[in-house]
Amino acid sequence: DTAVSQTPKYLVTQMGNDKSIKCEQNLGHDTMYWYKQDSKKFLKIMFSYNNKELIINETVPNRFSPKSPDKAHLNLHINSLELGDSAVYFCASSQDHAGVVSEETQYFGPGTRLLVL
Amino acid sequence: GQNIDQPTEMTATEGAIVQINCTYQTSGFNGLFWYQQHAGEAPTFLSYNVLDGLEEKGRFSSFLSRSKGYSYLLLKELQMKDSASYLCAFMDSNYQLIWGAGTKLIIKP
Repeated sequence: DTAVSQTPKYLVTQMGNDKSIKCEQNLGHDTMYWYKQDSKKFLKIMFSYNNKELIINETVPNRFSPKSPDKAHLNLHINSLELGDSAVYFCASSQDHAGVVSEETQYFGPGTRLLVL
Repeated sequence: GQNIDQPTEMTATEGAIVQINCTYQTSGFNGLFWYQQHAGEAPTFLSYNVLDGLEEKGRFSSFLSRSKGYSYLLLKELQMKDSASYLCAFMDSNYQLIWGAGTKLIIKP
């Protein structure tokens, strides 16, 4: 049973295309996240959703839009893909955004390797 | 401002002990995390410290000094499977995780 799953695992596409990455968690967590890990291996938070409300929106281009149909899913839509969008995108979830800190452990999905040509 | 720093790469020998250091600066602090990430895989949780001192968990231990903005991860009895990147991250006052770039640990026989 996969706790946090993402699809697709690999995504190769042309510049200018629109693509989506899906994420699902079966842990019953209230908060989900999207991270971008670039070639230098920095993990950068992009978005965070708590009970279907956006609570962190870093300075990412508005070509990126998160969509959460329910608290178990947080999908990432990317419009007009650019070369610099090539990276590994990780979805993660945690029990709560604040509260008992031991529950703040974030569980990561396997990552989606995006390559824009 | 906020920043976090850890060495880029370290090498150690199978069976030995290695300490990976992490220093950070932040005005708000809600704990320090260590994650392990094998090449091509997702980060996985190793440890969490919010109070000063040493937390031991099997072969891995993590230490925190809040006054010094310093943490380390101690790995004992190194095994080849410990070859991975080790990511340090602190949780700021907004409960957002701020990540280091990771330390790539290479284990040699």
